[in-house]
Amino acid sequence: GAVVSQHPSRVICKSGTSVKIECRSLDFQATTMFWYRQFPKQSLMLMATSNEGSKATYEQGVEKDKFLINHASLTLSTLTVTSAHPEDSSFYICSAQTGPGNTIYFGEGSWLTVV
Amino acid sequence: AQSVTQLDSQVPVFEEAPVELRCNYSSSVSVYLFWYVQYPNQGLQLLLKYLSGSTLVKGINGFEAEFNKSQTSFHLRKPSVHISDTAEYFCAVSDTGGFKTIFGAGTRLFVKA
Repeated sequence: GAVVSQHPSRVICKSGTSVKIECRSLDFQATTMFWYRQFPKQSLMLMATSNEGSKATYEQGVEKDKFLINHASLTLSTLTVTSAHPEDSSFYICSAQTGPGNTIYFGEGSWLTVV
Repeated sequence: AQSVTQLDSQVPVFEEAPVELRCNYSSSVSVYLFWYVQYPNQGLQLLLKYLSGSTLVKGINGFEAEFNKSQTSFHLRKPSVHISDTAEYFCAVSDTGGFKTIFGAGTRLFVKA
């Protein structure tokens, strides 16, 4: 079946630095990918919709200059957390979908800890 | 716009007992409905989905859900749970024309021996 892979699964970075998380669809082409943030024991909060070859669409309240999304190919989207702060520490999950109503395939998630 | 309400944040149940996890949604347009399961420190996995047709949907791991349009509900059921069913369950809704999916707050199912 379709697989979405995220890397790294865990990352620790110093406050003020930037960190990049990759999301790859391994056996299908994903024109649209999604980035979510999940705090412990809470639901997924949609951050942005990543569209191949165009700018991402950010949800209200999400800082586009802080969370940079690039979807350069049909199989890769990246999320870069710039100038990270401890409050950015969270579980970030990406997903991909091949069409409306189709199954959403989720990556394994990436734990970001900013110290 | 759509919204999803999962009425129970936690559901404790004994092994081999039946369980129902409740989900209500609101939308002004036709929707697709989903249930996903999340095990600790992992992404989400699809349990089942309703797109159209029969209102009773069967999924993986013995789960099923019933779409009730008049009550705008999509409750998840399993007749006999196992310890391994302990996880977080998310109900989700998307409109039929787009990709964007809204998730409920989640229900933690805790199966006790």
